[in-house]
Amino acid sequence: EDKVVQSPLSLVVHEGDTVTLNCSYEVTNFRSLLWYKQEKKAPTFLFMLTSSGIEKKSGRLSSILDKKELFSILNITATQTGDSAVYLCAVEAMYNFNKFYFGSGTKLNVKP
Amino acid sequence: NAGVMQNPRHLVRRRGQEARLRCSPMKGHSHVYWYRQLPEEGLKFMVYLQKENIIDESGMPKERFSAEFPKEGPSILRIQQVVRGDSAAYFCASSPQGLAFLEQYFGPGTRLTVT
Repeated sequence: EDKVVQSPLSLVVHEGDTVTLNCSYEVTNFRSLLWYKQEKKAPTFLFMLTSSGIEKKSGRLSSILDKKELFSILNITATQTGDSAVYLCAVEAMYNFNKFYFGSGTKLNVKP
Repeated sequence: NAGVMQNPRHLVRRRGQEARLRCSPMKGHSHVYWYRQLPEEGLKFMVYLQKENIIDESGMPKERFSAEFPKEGPSILRIQQVVRGDSAAYFCASSPQGLAFLEQYFGPGTRLTVT
């Protein structure tokens, strides 16, 4: 059965800390892995990863994919209270159409 | 481009009533996905539609739920005879091409409360 597992489920840190969020997957016909940030609204897209070992970076956020070990990490450096959100990992599978499997998310709380 | 629109944003229904959720994809997008997010859970795929076609409905409960995406107008997710367990946030996402796109664009969601 295809699945995406995120860890930890929740995390509390203080401003300035660095955090690493994990996403492991077992999905046949893997095509890409996506990270989203969800606050009190719809998820917003962060990164899409398709190749192993190539780091994607956007400001204080970065992400990398390991297709051999079937996982991805999302790093946030120098965290700010505005980073508090649920971070969702999704894996796109390719059949004759594409299908998405979402993890349960990691709830990040950044305290001042 | 107004982005993906969903309405209503909040919907309250009594048990046994029908709920209709609407999703207007971004301009130029012909692929729509519906997801459900239960409290304290992640997004779960429900159904994937193209114009006038249901491509994959494997995530949709077999009874009481249906979806359509007509040639003209928004995509509709319909829940008949709602029960308390249907209370959730329902998100719609659209993409320009289902087979080779970069990311999905999500709507703001409809929060359904069944009393």
